[in-house]
Amino acid sequence: DQQVKQNSPSLSVQEGRISILNCDYTNSMFDYFLWYKKYPAEGPTFLISISSIKDKNEDGRFTVFLNKSAKHLSLHIVPSQPGDSAVYFCASINQAGTALIFGKGTTLSVSS
Amino acid sequence: KAGVTQTPRYLIKTRGQQVTLSCSPISGHRSVSWYQQTPGQGLQFLFEYFSETQRNKGNFPGRFSGRQFSNSRSEMNVSTLELGDSALYLCASRGDVSGNTIYFGEGSWLTVV
Repeated sequence: DQQVKQNSPSLSVQEGRISILNCDYTNSMFDYFLWYKKYPAEGPTFLISISSIKDKNEDGRFTVFLNKSAKHLSLHIVPSQPGDSAVYFCASINQAGTALIFGKGTTLSVSS
Repeated sequence: KAGVTQTPRYLIKTRGQQVTLSCSPISGHRSVSWYQQTPGQGLQFLFEYFSETQRNKGNFPGRFSGRQFSNSRSEMNVSTLELGDSALYLCASRGDVSGNTIYFGEGSWLTVV
């Protein structure tokens, strides 16, 4: 049973526009979420995180929004750049705080 | 500050063999965890070590094992390799058990033939 879900396997966006990547979770006890970016054959690179005590966290072009009642978070990239093309993973830390639970990922393609 | 370092980066093994992968965490980080990435299953947690003790283990068979040394370096071992073990194995580190940001290495690509 998937506890972290990224229902869109892929997303295509034009350069300069906004990219919105979505993530849903099922366990209301999850209280910390992270987004990672991954290129093929490389390890995931940490992008941004959010604690459940916040509903928004911003870092440069990246903003993560958390809606606890809906158990939903989203990553906004503005403006999108071709170098942002990668697989984006949403993850939550498990209740024991010992492991990341990942979604299946969303492949973002930014065209120029 | 050097990142998480994994060796080897690429390797090919034959079914039935065993393999050992190595990981050096970020300097000062004492928690090391391992993940497996396959096309079908995505990124899945294998185990986590902190101060040489395994704190948690994912849902993998006993053929998958690991250990951590006093300098925080970690190794994982897979015995009696199967074709399905072909994957990218990722090591991650964080500063302490309460640290929520986890940093990954480049991974070790294992192909079992």
